[in-house]
Amino acid sequence: TQLLEQSPQFLSIQEGENLTVYCNSSSVFSSLQWYRQEPGEGPVLLVTVVTGGEVKKLKRLTFQFGDARKDSSLHITAAQPGDTGLYLCAGAQGGSEKLVFGKGMKLTVNP
Amino acid sequence: ETGVTQTPRHLVMGMTNKKSLKCEQHLGHNAMYWYKQSAKKPLELMFVYNFKEQTENNSVPSRFSPECPNSSHLFLHLHTLQPEDSALYLCASSQGQALNTEAFFGQGTRLTVV
Repeated sequence: TQLLEQSPQFLSIQEGENLTVYCNSSSVFSSLQWYRQEPGEGPVLLVTVVTGGEVKKLKRLTFQFGDARKDSSLHITAAQPGDTGLYLCAGAQGGSEKLVFGKGMKLTVNP
Repeated sequence: ETGVTQTPRHLVMGMTNKKSLKCEQHLGHNAMYWYKQSAKKPLELMFVYNFKEQTENNSVPSRFSPECPNSSHLFLHLHTLQPEDSALYLCASSQGQALNTEAFFGQGTRLTVV
């Protein structure tokens, strides 16, 4: 059973379009992180959300942590080809030393 | 450049070979990690070291043997691997082991076992 489900798993869109990626779980997380991984590179942290209902913005990226701290979303406005990559969510559970990763959402933004 | 360097970037090895992966971090971090990234699977934590001491072994087979001689260097020694061990092996470091601490990843070693 996958602890963190990401959807969609693949997305190919045109430059300028908007998109939302979801990260869902039946478990509660003390914090949740979003990473982006480009081909041939390691993941790079985009944001950490800690408080239920928290919204963080990073330029054209908007991250939201669910009120119950079981899910999160990433919304990208006016996507650019440079946004292409694998978007990973990772959750931390209190009492566990492990950071659990989702499978990721592979985004391709075509010019 | 994340401050975490992994070598080699690519490695092809036979099932009877012995090889080692190297990771070096220049960030002054105390915790270092090995992750395995396979196609169609989530990132899997393998080992955690904090101040050179192993604090986590996520039920990894003994054909993978980690070594952490100091807080800046981490090795993964490989022997008698199986084809299903082919994957991207990622090293990461963080200032502490707090789960909401940012992890800095290296570029990974793409391992192919033939």
